Amino acid sequence: DGGITQSPKYLFRKEGQNVTLSCEQNLNHDAMYWYRQDPGQGLRLIYYSQIVNDFQKGDIAEGYSVSREKKESFPLTVTSAQKNPTAFYLCASSWGFETQYFGPGTRLLVL
Amino acid sequence: AQSVTQLGSHVSVSEGALVLLRCNYSSSVPPYLFWYVQYPNQGLQLLLKYTSAATLVKGINGFEAEFKKSETSFHLTKPSAHMSDAAEYFCAVSVSGGGADGLTFGKGTHLIIQP
Repeated sequence: DGGITQSPKYLFRKEGQNVTLSCEQNLNHDAMYWYRQDPGQGLRLIYYSQIVNDFQKGDIAEGYSVSREKKESFPLTVTSAQKNPTAFYLCASSWGFETQYFGPGTRLLVL
Repeated sequence: AQSVTQLGSHVSVSEGALVLLRCNYSSSVPPYLFWYVQYPNQGLQLLLKYTSAATLVKGINGFEAEFKKSETSFHLTKPSAHMSDAAEYFCAVSVSGGGADGLTFGKGTHLIIQP
């Protein structure tokens, strides 16, 4: 069954802690994306990657980091520099210029 | 740069009534336009997309949207609302196909269906 998986579904972060959100896809898509969703704000682009070992900053990259070592995987790290990390994080992927497909999301909460 | 405006953060309609969700965009080049739906605590599902082939686009679940360049609009409609249509709807724009450099989203419209 092809698709995008995100884990965990819920993640709790303590002050000063870095946390990593997982995103895996088995759709053989080249491009992958991370978006942040806040209530009433829509989705905002954090980072995207069009090819392995390359990625670009989106509109709100500060306080986040990513890696793209494998085509299937695009993990997002929320660093301690991100002062307001509580949000719903969505990963997406696409093949070339085709439609983006979204994973089920990870909700990050601060303890 | 492109942007999307969705008029009305909440829209309420009666079951069986017409659904109309408004989306206006701005783009310096011909845009690609999308409507996505999101159910609570889930990811986004594509409803339909405009890629310059036809101005009237039909999507899943009986939804359709019309691209009007003169009005820079891409409103979403459905002739008869179902209770199952209650969800959050997002309009998005890209100037690079499916959004190879990311999609720009509106803030969303929460559709409420009254029985």
